[in-house]
Amino acid sequence: EPEVTQTPSHQVTQMGQEVILRCVPISNHLYFYWYRQILGQKVEFLVSFYNNEISEKSEIFDDQFSVERPDGSNFTLKIRSTKLEDSAMYFCASSPDGGNTEAFFGQGTRLTVV
Amino acid sequence: KQEVTQIPAALSVPEGENLVLNCSFTDSAIYNLQWFRQDPGKGLTSLLLIQSSQREQTSGRLNASLDKSSGRSTLFIAASQPGDSATYLCAAAFYNQGGKLIFGQGTELSVKP
Repeated sequence: EPEVTQTPSHQVTQMGQEVILRCVPISNHLYFYWYRQILGQKVEFLVSFYNNEISEKSEIFDDQFSVERPDGSNFTLKIRSTKLEDSAMYFCASSPDGGNTEAFFGQGTRLTVV
Repeated sequence: KQEVTQIPAALSVPEGENLVLNCSFTDSAIYNLQWFRQDPGKGLTSLLLIQSSQREQTSGRLNASLDKSSGRSTLFIAASQPGDSATYLCAAAFYNQGGKLIFGQGTELSVKP
């Protein structure tokens, strides 16, 4: 069964460093998303991506964050100059055509900023 | 502001009992609602998706309902098992939001043997 895959599963980084979280969405899906879940809190929307551009972003998704689809398969989230409060589980999701269809989530990348 | 709320935050039941998890949302212009399961420290596993035109969906021992007018969804789990212990999240996609999901805070279910 097709699935969304994320790498790495766990990343530890020093405060101030840049990290890139990687995702391979399901191949025929057109919409891609990043969410995050700080420990003990709700899953929060970060950004959606469609047709090679950001379609929507939340207040959390400031200039520190960027997304890219560098080739036909990968979808990346870059966090520049990481802060302690960026520590969270980051989930990638994809769906065939946006709001009317099921979103499939990856297993997440646990980011720990020390 | 569109919000999704889940009550209770935690629920403990004995094995074999039927149970209902509740989810409420503030905007009736809902595209669909999804229920997920999350095991501790793990990812999100999609359980059921209910489209706005549907009233319920069933998968095995799970049945999810949707009532847009009252802003409520329920997840019914029949004959609960210890393996059902997990956190259950509901998430709503609203119209004109490009498919982004707004999540509830989850209900942590514990099924005791």
